[in-house]
Amino acid sequence: EAQLVESGGGLVQPGGSLRLSCAASGFTFSNHWMDWVRQVPGKGLVWVARINTDGSDTSHADSVKGRFTISRDNAKNTLYLQMNSLRTEDTAVYFCAKDRGYDAMDVWGQGTTVTVSS
Amino acid sequence: QSVLTQPPSVSAAPGQKVTISCSGSSSNIGNNYVSWYQQLPGTAPKLLIYENNKRPSGIPDRFSGSQSGTSATLGITGLQTGDEADYYCVTWDTNLRVVIFGGGTKLTVL
Repeated sequence: EAQLVESGGGLVQPGGSLRLSCAASGFTFSNHWMDWVRQVPGKGLVWVARINTDGSDTSHADSVKGRFTISRDNAKNTLYLQMNSLRTEDTAVYFCAKDRGYDAMDVWGQGTTVTVSS
Repeated sequence: QSVLTQPPSVSAAPGQKVTISCSGSSSNIGNNYVSWYQQLPGTAPKLLIYENNKRPSGIPDRFSGSQSGTSATLGITGLQTGDEADYYCVTWDTNLRVVIFGGGTKLTVL
C-alpha cells in the first residue's frame, strides 16, 4: 500500500528555517512527480510546490518563491521542503502528496504542523 | 481569493443529490484537467475524481465529475451523513504556471 509520512514540523521563530521530510513507501517513488500542499487550520488547501521525477524541474507558489525549496532524494525515497525566512503566515499543516499525473494527487501524508511564532 | 470559484457551502437531505461547481477560465479549467478532493474533518484530503470525470479505484459511483468550457462540476448522489466534508477542485493554470485549488465547499447533509 502506498504511504507517505511527513516529519520535521515544529515551532520556529519568524525569520527561522525548517526542513520538512516526506518518506515514501509502497510505490516506485522515482516514477512520480510530488507536491507539497498546506492548510491553515480552518482554512482551505493551498498548493505550495511541485517537483518532477528526477528533481530537474520544480515549481513554487508565488507566496513562497525565493524562500522555500522543494527537492527529493530518489535513493532514499524521500521528498523535502526547505523553508527559510519563515513568516507567521507560513503557519499551517503541511501535506506531501503523490501526483498520479495531470495534477491529480492520489496519495497524501497525514500532515506535519509548522508554527511560526515568537 | 482563489482563481477557481466554488460556492462556500451546499446542503441537501440524506438520499438526495447535490452538485458543487468550480468556475475558472481558459487558462486553467478551459485547457487542463480538473481533479476533486474530499476532506473529512481532521484528515488529509482524498482524491475523488481525476482527469475531469474518472474515479480512482474504491471511490463509489455515487461521485461523478464533469467539465464544460471553463467550469467543472462534482456530483454526489444518494447523500449520506458520512459525505459531510469539505470538497475542493484543483487544476493547473497555464498562464500562472501553478497548481490551483478552489476555495473549497462545505457540504452539509441535513
